[in-house]
Amino acid sequence: KQEVTQIPAALSVPEGENLVLNCSFTDSAIYNLQWFRQDPGKGLTSLLLIQSSQREQTSGRLNASLDKSSGRSTLYIAASQPGDSATYLCAVRNSGTYKYIFGTGTRLKVLA
Amino acid sequence: DGGITQSPKYLFRKEGQNVTLSCEQNLNHDAMYWYRQDPGQGLRLIYYSQIVNDFQKGDIAEGYSVSREKKESFPLTVTSAQKNPTAFYLCASTYQSQYFTDTQYFGPGTRLTVL
Repeated sequence: KQEVTQIPAALSVPEGENLVLNCSFTDSAIYNLQWFRQDPGKGLTSLLLIQSSQREQTSGRLNASLDKSSGRSTLYIAASQPGDSATYLCAVRNSGTYKYIFGTGTRLKVLA
Repeated sequence: DGGITQSPKYLFRKEGQNVTLSCEQNLNHDAMYWYRQDPGQGLRLIYYSQIVNDFQKGDIAEGYSVSREKKESFPLTVTSAQKNPTAFYLCASTYQSQYFTDTQYFGPGTRLTVL
């Protein structure tokens, strides 16, 4: 059974710092992995989608990597800003299924 | 504007009452999903539907029911059998084909509280 873990659960950094969020999964037979952002009381906003055949995806200051063999993905945020403060969730879809399994998220606070 | 709408934003339910949460999308997506989110937790899948008139149970379907009569609509009913329904409910949709899967798009959510 696929399990998705995100560590740390919470993180505070000063503005301008580069940071890395981690996502681990137990079953490497994934179809894709997505990173989302969630603001308090709101829905999720997709940040990056990585297909199983890809190693990384980039969008602006965000870069997500995928290492299926080790069951890990990282989300790199460059030059963090207070507006980046939110909860970041990763979700994995296994091959042969349309279900997505979510991690519990990392709550990020960027201090001005 | 294309997107997903959920209504109402806030919903209060009395004990023993059934309530229905609305989810509508105009993205022409085939697949739609309902998730439940509890404080400090990730999302748990309640039901999902890949095509009209077909849906599958997720991990926590007990006490919930859905219908998919139209491609753009996927309402969720929280029945009185659901013993702890207070949570934040999120609807999502995605485009899927034999060769390609797009990202999941989420609605703004409905916060359900049992009085």
